[in-house]
This record gives sequence, structure tokens and C-alpha cells, in this order.
Amino acid sequence: EAGVAQSPRYKIIEKRQSVAFWCNPISGHATLYWYQQILGQGPKLLIQFQNNGVVDDSQLPKDRFSAERLKGVDSTLKIQPAKLEDSAVYLCASSWGILAGGENEQFFGPGTRLTVL
Amino acid sequence: AQSVTQLDSQVPVFEEAPVELRCNYSSSVSVYLFWYVQYPNQGLQLLLKYLSGSTLVKGINGFEAEFNKSQTSFHLRKPSVHISDTAEYFCAVSDPDTGGFKTIFGAGTRLFVKA
Repeated sequence: EAGVAQSPRYKIIEKRQSVAFWCNPISGHATLYWYQQILGQGPKLLIQFQNNGVVDDSQLPKDRFSAERLKGVDSTLKIQPAKLEDSAVYLCASSWGILAGGENEQFFGPGTRLTVL
Repeated sequence: AQSVTQLDSQVPVFEEAPVELRCNYSSSVSVYLFWYVQYPNQGLQLLLKYLSGSTLVKGINGFEAEFNKSQTSFHLRKPSVHISDTAEYFCAVSDPDTGGFKTIFGAGTRLFVKA
């Protein structure tokens, strides 16, 4: 079974530039998550999708961050414009779905390390 | 809102020694609890989870954790660590009272196993 795929693995940009990250979840997984992991901290949920609908985006800075999951499969997270404090690892995860209950395991991709200069 | 506290940011330990990584969460009627491990430059991987039933949960790589409701703790233990256990460990809680079973992660504990 293929795991969660993310690209790119690394990205360096100047502040005020735009950047996009891509995630392809495990086949059949209904729920997709984007997390931001700042150095020295645990992952923080940015947005959670159930199929192509948003379940939780309460911690997504909507003035600069956007995410979509067209057709309920892969997803793109965009930052426009980027700030210095956006430097972090962006993790994508997927699971079978919230209908399976909160106990369903999340499978994580390797992450994208973003550096904003 | 639910919160998770990992009491130690770093834990150095010698190879073959026992280790305990501590985790406390804020009180709730019922929660699901998880421990994840993150090796360098990799994503998180589930070690074990507590959903209900027996308070002692066994996971992969010889790790186990004990759920203590009265102390709202979920400490991770291993009787004898290996060099390969060097990694970052995250405690997480999923609150069934929130829509979507939102998962909250602790700040992590870096386990460093020395030869």
C-alpha cells in the first residue's frame, strides 16, 4: 500500500512570495488533514477535509492560507503572501474517515519543509 | 478546549536502560489517546492508541503506555531502549466532543539514546 505522498520536500522562498504544497492521500481515505509543525513544537491542525468538504479550518489563517481538495482525493495548500513566521514543516495526513470515529489512525506524509527568507 | 502537556522536552538515556516519557492532558469525559513517533526527516508514525478497555496499551517496537483517568495521564514506557529509538515522540488526544474528532498534539519529547 502506497503511503501519503507530498511534494515538494523542500521549498525556500522570499517573504511576500506565494507557495503551494501538494498532497496525495492513501487510496480510499476519506479524511485529509494539513498540519503546520514549527520547529520545537507539535503539529498544529490547519484544516481537515472529509471527502471534498471542510470539517475544521478554525486555525487556518484565511487571509493568507487556502486549501482545496477537489474531487475528494488529492489536496493543495497555498500560502499567499508568505511571512517569515510561516517557516515550518507542513504535514499532510489521511485516515479512513471521521465516520470510523476519532480512533482511526492518521497516516502522515514526509512533510514539506518551508523556509521563508 | 483540550490541551496536551509533555512534561519533558528532552530525555537522554543510555542504551538498554528503561525510559518513561510523560504526557498529561486536560480533563474530559472521554478521550482517545495516541503516541506517535517521528524519525528525522520523516512524517509521524503511530506507536499505540488508547480507545477504551484495558488501561495498559501495547504498541509497536516494544513500547507500552498506561492510561490513568484520575491523573489524566498517558505515559509512554519501554523497558529497554535501543539506539534506533532515538526520535521525537508526540502524545496526542482526540476529543469526541469536538466535531471531526480534532486531534491535539503535545509539543513533543526528544528521546536521545546513548551507547
